[in-house]
Amino acid sequence: GQNIDQPTEMTATEGAIVQINCTYQTSGFNGLFWYQQHAGEAPTFLSYNVLDGLEEKGRFSSFLSRSKGYSYLLLKELQMKDSASYLCAFLDSNYQLIWGAGTKLIIKP
Amino acid sequence: GAVVSQHPSRVICKSGTSVKIECRSLDFQATTMFWYRQFPKKSLMLMATSNEGSKATYEQGVEKDKFLINHASLTLSTLTVTSAHPEDSSFYICSARDLDRGDSNEQFFGPGTRLTVL
Repeated sequence: GQNIDQPTEMTATEGAIVQINCTYQTSGFNGLFWYQQHAGEAPTFLSYNVLDGLEEKGRFSSFLSRSKGYSYLLLKELQMKDSASYLCAFLDSNYQLIWGAGTKLIIKP
Repeated sequence: GAVVSQHPSRVICKSGTSVKIECRSLDFQATTMFWYRQFPKKSLMLMATSNEGSKATYEQGVEKDKFLINHASLTLSTLTVTSAHPEDSSFYICSARDLDRGDSNEQFFGPGTRLTVL
């Protein structure tokens, strides 16, 4: 079967670093996405990993280990505007996105 | 970048009426568009995959006669909620894949449509 799991909620302090983990199980895999979603808005693309390793993009980095079925999103120098839900999703063998439930990130001053 | 628009952004209708939601790729061609539904504090639920010029593929449990999808051109897909009821109230989001980005599986999302059925 397929499943994907990420923490429901996390809290971090402005200026700090936070890592949001995502684990998944699937027989077919074509890459993993991270999206940011503010309340009442559609998701916006953050990153796409298809190979193992770390992809860095400004304050955000994403890591993938296909053998472990594991990914994380790393956010540095947190800002208040980073308060949002972060959704991980993988592409299955049919190239359909299988979504996690999202991690609500709360940033405190 | 690839931009997807949705119209309307918000709609309130009476129970029993039909509502049409448009999804447009503004600066690229999209052979495939996806329709999602999202309940409050929940993840996105794929409703159907819309392919230009052919019938949409619906996910299990989604009534195709209630949620009519038409993908008449490479830049437009429509979702019609027929005979809407209060339980159809939700946030509907479309996404599209860029035909020219052959090596990218990224989906570009529209801003969403908030449907409230009274």
